[in-house]
Parts: sequence; structure tokens; C-alpha cells
Amino acid sequence: GENVEQHPSTLSVQEGDSAVIKCTYSDSASNYFPWYKQELGKRPQLIIDIRSNVGEKKDQRIAVTLNKTAKHFSLHITETQPEDSAVYFCAAKGGRRALTFGSGTRLQVQP
Amino acid sequence: DAMVIQNPRYQVTQFGKPVTLSCSQTLNHNVMYWYQQKSSQAPKLLFHYYDKDFNNEADTPDNFQSRRPNTSFCFLDIRSPGLGDAAMYLCATSRAGSGDNEQFFGPGTRLTVL
Repeated sequence: GENVEQHPSTLSVQEGDSAVIKCTYSDSASNYFPWYKQELGKRPQLIIDIRSNVGEKKDQRIAVTLNKTAKHFSLHITETQPEDSAVYFCAAKGGRRALTFGSGTRLQVQP
Repeated sequence: DAMVIQNPRYQVTQFGKPVTLSCSQTLNHNVMYWYQQKSSQAPKLLFHYYDKDFNNEADTPDNFQSRRPNTSFCFLDIRSPGLGDAAMYLCATSRAGSGDNEQFFGPGTRLTVL
């Protein structure tokens, strides 16, 4: 089955700095890579996703890059704000399989 | 609003007393998932229905069962809850098909086992 590894497990940045979270996956059949943000006690919320026919996608301050050859994808948050503080999960999916999640990154943005 | 609804939001049960959690969706999605999430961990897939096809994860304990009587509803039954089953249970849905992979999560049910 699919295995997704996520790093770092915790990340602390100053407000206004950039944050980068990286994930690797094992199954070359995976073709969908979402990123979820989860605040304490709330459901995971999709913030951005990318499919395997695209190398990069951007939505305002958030961008995701995908390297299919190396089987890794990354989340980039620019101009971080305190409200970006949360746990972020990457995930991978292919075919009829359910999402396989990474272990999560706790992002703390210091004001 | 089309959405994924879970009831109850909070459930307290006693050790060994069966409990049922419910999920309904108005998205008309054909795939429904149940995840277990413990504090500071990633959601762990328990099982999912692809239409009426039930898919159990290999490491899901027999204590956990699921029913999907129709497209809109899915239930998680925990036959004999143990202290280790205390967690947030998340239901999610998706529409299977080319380009339709996004999973929509419900708000979750937080289960406490006394």
C-alpha cells in the first residue's frame, strides 16, 4: 500500500516568514495530493490540492509543488500570519484507494 | 448547504457498552469513509464504502463494524468500546471518477469511554 512521510513534525516561524512542509510518497500510482489544515477540535479542511499532471499550483499565499519522478510534494506558505497556526496534513491517493495521510506538521506562527 | 453531517457531536459511553455513530451527506457522493483520529495524530482509515462495496482496512479491529443502508447514510458501530477507542471519529465522502477526488469531512464525533 501507499506510505506517506511528512517533515517536519513541528515548525515555528515568525509572522511574515515563509513556511515549507515536505512529503514523500511510495506508490507511483498515486495521482492526487491534497493538503489539509486542522485547527484544534475541528475537522480537516482542504486548503489546496494538486493532481499528477501538474507540477505546481498556487492560491494566494499558498502553493504546492509536485515532483513525480522523486515522489515528493511540498506545501509553501508565504507571509505567514498567526491564524495560519494549525496542524497540516499532506495526503496521497490513487485509483479507488482512500487517502493515505502523512503524520502531520504542527505549525506555530509567532506574532 | 450541501454537507456532511455527523451525529452526535459528542458521545459518552461506558466501557463495553455498544455505541453507534451516524453520518449523513447531501452531496450524493458514492464513496463514504470512516476515520479514527487520536490526539495529535493523522486520521486513520477504518473502512470505506465504494458504492455498496465495503472495504475494510486490514488493521481495523473486529470491534468496529459499519453499515451503509443507502447512499446518504453510513453508520459506525463499536460493539464493545474500550478505553483505547476514545477518539474523534470522522466521516468523509467523495465522488469517485476522473478528477473528482476531494474528500469532504464531517465535523466529527468525539467519543469518550468511561
